[in-house]
Amino acid sequence: GESVGLHLPTLSVQEGDNSIINCAYSNSASDYFIWYKQESGKGPQFIIDIRSNMDKRQGQRVTVLLNKTVKHLSLQIAATQPGDSAVYFCAENEGSNFNKFYFGSGTKLNVKP
Amino acid sequence: NAGVTQTPKFRVLKTGQSMTLLCAQDMNHEYMYWYRQDPGMGLRLIHYSVGEGTTAKGEVPDGYNVSRLKKQNFLLGLESAAPSQTSVYFCASSYSFKAFFGQGTRLTVV
Repeated sequence: GESVGLHLPTLSVQEGDNSIINCAYSNSASDYFIWYKQESGKGPQFIIDIRSNMDKRQGQRVTVLLNKTVKHLSLQIAATQPGDSAVYFCAENEGSNFNKFYFGSGTKLNVKP
Repeated sequence: NAGVTQTPKFRVLKTGQSMTLLCAQDMNHEYMYWYRQDPGMGLRLIHYSVGEGTTAKGEVPDGYNVSRLKKQNFLLGLESAAPSQTSVYFCASSYSFKAFFGQGTRLTVV
């Protein structure tokens, strides 16, 4: 299957700082990407998505950047808060079969007060 | 609005026992999925369904069976549990590309 991986397994940031979580993907045919947040003991929760025809998409305090040239995805969280502490997953889908997403192993974000 | 509900939340099984995990969604979604999550790994797709009465294999289907007799329910069965099936299981449902996950079932096989 496709390979979706994360550069940093654990990221620690100070409250109020910005966080950047990275993700690499290997399937150049992937055309849709999602970031999920998973808090301890809970299921993954949708954060933001982006299609391959976009380079950037913004939500509330979050921005996703897509660099198709190097097959790299990042999630930026502005003014990180303690409630942002969680594991973040990226997932990719190649579009031809939207039933199947491939998930990375996740990055744990620790927000220090 | 309950979303996706999984039962049970926790279960301990002995090797060789069988059990069924139940997933229910109230969003009228056509697509439903079962994933397993192991430490240090991402979610891996076990089986999925594109509608009532249909099922299909995912990445890691061996040792599991599923049924989708009603649109709102998706059942995952383990006929003869093995220690390798110790994991956290997540059910999800989706419309378009956006998936909604349940809270998970932590299964331990001893």
